[in-house]
Amino acid sequence: EIVLTQSPGTLSLSPGERATLSCRASQSVSNSDLAWYQQKPGQAPRLLIYGASNRATGISDRFRGSGSGTDFTLTISRLEPEDFAVYYCQQYGSSPGTFGPGTKVDIK
Amino acid sequence: QVQLVESGGGLVKPGGSLRLSCAASGFTFSDYYMSWVRQAPGKGLEWVSYISTSDSTIYYADSMKGRFTISRDNAKNSLYLQMNSLRAEDTAVYYCARHLLLAAPDAFDVWGQGTMVTVSS
Repeated sequence: EIVLTQSPGTLSLSPGERATLSCRASQSVSNSDLAWYQQKPGQAPRLLIYGASNRATGISDRFRGSGSGTDFTLTISRLEPEDFAVYYCQQYGSSPGTFGPGTKVDIK
Repeated sequence: QVQLVESGGGLVKPGGSLRLSCAASGFTFSDYYMSWVRQAPGKGLEWVSYISTSDSTIYYADSMKGRFTISRDNAKNSLYLQMNSLRAEDTAVYYCARHLLLAAPDAFDVWGQGTMVTVSS
């Protein structure tokens, strides 16, 4: 199965700053079938990005996904207070679909 | 509105059984593949199982094979997970999730609020 590694583990930033989150796969992700989710404490995950770069319905254009092959990036252009959360990447190009361990974005 | 609501979680002893349910509303349930995804306390997400629209295709994560059974009732807009031979490491919040496209594996665009399963003596 494909193993996903996310870095950094924690990102401490201030509102208004830019966040860059990395997701690296142990082998190439087919068709760039890579998704990003946001999860806040006590809540279910929310789909942000699918197909590496497509924003899900209702997602702000402050969120941008990029990458292909084994290296993917989620960029949040200007952090809003509601963006402080844990972010997971998921590959679904190969079975079984797998998730990364998450990156926590917290307030500096 | 599009909604998934899980139920059936609780405290169960090791070796015991539990049946989770997920009620769907606001969309045509029979048109979508569905999955169960779990999250142990303080840990990340782990896919458990998926089922195709007409339950002709079913897959399980290796650690659940032979112990968990996924099923659906399209007439009742419901998804189920029968969990047997439960272990302490099965303790988690269990989410039902809708597949984004008619595919598996897939991204998940709708999630329930989750139901907590605790396996402890």
